[in-house]
Amino acid sequence: AQSVTQLGSHVSVSEGALVLLRCNYSSSVPPYLFWYVQYPNQGLQLLLKYTSAATLVKGINGFEAEFKKSETSFHLTKPSAHMSDAAEYFCAVSAGNSGNTPLVFGKGTRLSVIA
Amino acid sequence: EAGVAQSPRYKIIEKRQSVAFWCNPISGHATLYWYQQILGQGPKLLIQFQNNGVVDDSQLPKDRFSAERLKGVDSTLKIQPAKLEDSAVYLCASSFPTTGPGGWGYTFGSGTRLTVV
Repeated sequence: AQSVTQLGSHVSVSEGALVLLRCNYSSSVPPYLFWYVQYPNQGLQLLLKYTSAATLVKGINGFEAEFKKSETSFHLTKPSAHMSDAAEYFCAVSAGNSGNTPLVFGKGTRLSVIA
Repeated sequence: EAGVAQSPRYKIIEKRQSVAFWCNPISGHATLYWYQQILGQGPKLLIQFQNNGVVDDSQLPKDRFSAERLKGVDSTLKIQPAKLEDSAVYLCASSFPTTGPGGWGYTFGSGTRLTVV
């Protein structure tokens, strides 16, 4: 079975500061890992995904994440926070090589950006 | 490409009433999911369809929830009777195989926000 744990339900950073959102996963098979962003009253938007092609994954809006198998982590980073980054962020895992399997989500981390 | 369409966007009902949600996935996406997202939590899978067949409904509260996907396209999710704890956003998603080493892609609708009073 797959699961993810997001460390920190709320993260607050200053505008221009580094954003670091933490995600650890558990999977019995090689995982596919995803980061989604959700703005108020909207659906989930894909930021980036890891599918075993490269351990450093670059996504939209300047975000990137690094897959570290030894640490079972897939932390999301952005060098410089912008006010528009304030949203809820979800890490998710699927059983990558098992075919069409559902995503299992973490509880989410709410990012606040302070001017 | 059109996204996953869901309706209604918002619904307020009294407890013990019934409610239905509708989802129209992206054309050609054989796999459809319904998720429940309670405020402050991540989405939780309720049911997965492959075409018009159920793949996984192990987390669907079958005493009050039901879902169907006729003809392998649109899907409806029904709650009868609703309880206060059913207040949540109900998200529909569809998935598709991607080219290269990408595995599967998932697209989510905007969701239906249900409030049970």
